[in-house]
Amino acid sequence: QSALTQPASVSGSPGQSITISCTGTSSDVGGYNYVSWYQQHPDKAPKLMIYDVSKRPSGVSNRFSGSKSGNTASLTISGLQAEDEADYYCCSHAGSGTLFGGGTKLTVL
Amino acid sequence: EVQLVESGGGLVQPGGSLRLSCAASGFTFSGYWMHWVRQAPGKGLVWVSKIHPDGSITTYADSVKGRFTISRDNAKNTLYLQVNSLRAEDTAVYYCARNWNGQIDYWGQGSLVTVSS
Repeated sequence: QSALTQPASVSGSPGQSITISCTGTSSDVGGYNYVSWYQQHPDKAPKLMIYDVSKRPSGVSNRFSGSKSGNTASLTISGLQAEDEADYYCCSHAGSGTLFGGGTKLTVL
Repeated sequence: EVQLVESGGGLVQPGGSLRLSCAASGFTFSGYWMHWVRQAPGKGLVWVSKIHPDGSITTYADSVKGRFTISRDNAKNTLYLQVNSLRAEDTAVYYCARNWNGQIDYWGQGSLVTVSS
């Protein structure tokens, strides 16, 4: 039950786009389309941003998009805004359990 | 509106026990798998356990297997996590979360468990 692999940090300027990767195995990310992404601001509960690899819940900006290729999923945020600065976690169904990535801190310069 | 409200956290000595509760409202609790997820101070999210809508199936992370027990009372719309034989490394905010379509969609605000002598 190893965590999914995410970069520890990414950064970008307002208006730019960034992509966060999430690498797993064929037993989790590569084996299911149950990949989700969460945004977490300091001292707040996580918020669902993407589910089923690429779907957005109602109310989430279309600046957020998701994709997957093989064992790696990705979250792209376009048109960066100051309010996007937060921690982002990927998550995947993994058979009988669930796996999270280690988290990526996004800094908006 | 979906609401998940955890309670029961606190300071406990190593080797001690606690029971965390999560009161659910705003949805048909008995129709959903539910999860516990924890987050150590300054660290990432870690999945702990999940339970079938009728309580008949439970799964655990290896790190808590044999020490933690997830359960639910659908009549009371409440999820529980019994945590025993606590260790310093169990110190974390424990989140209750709802499963929808194979993924977590709603989270509670969390309950802090601190294991220290």
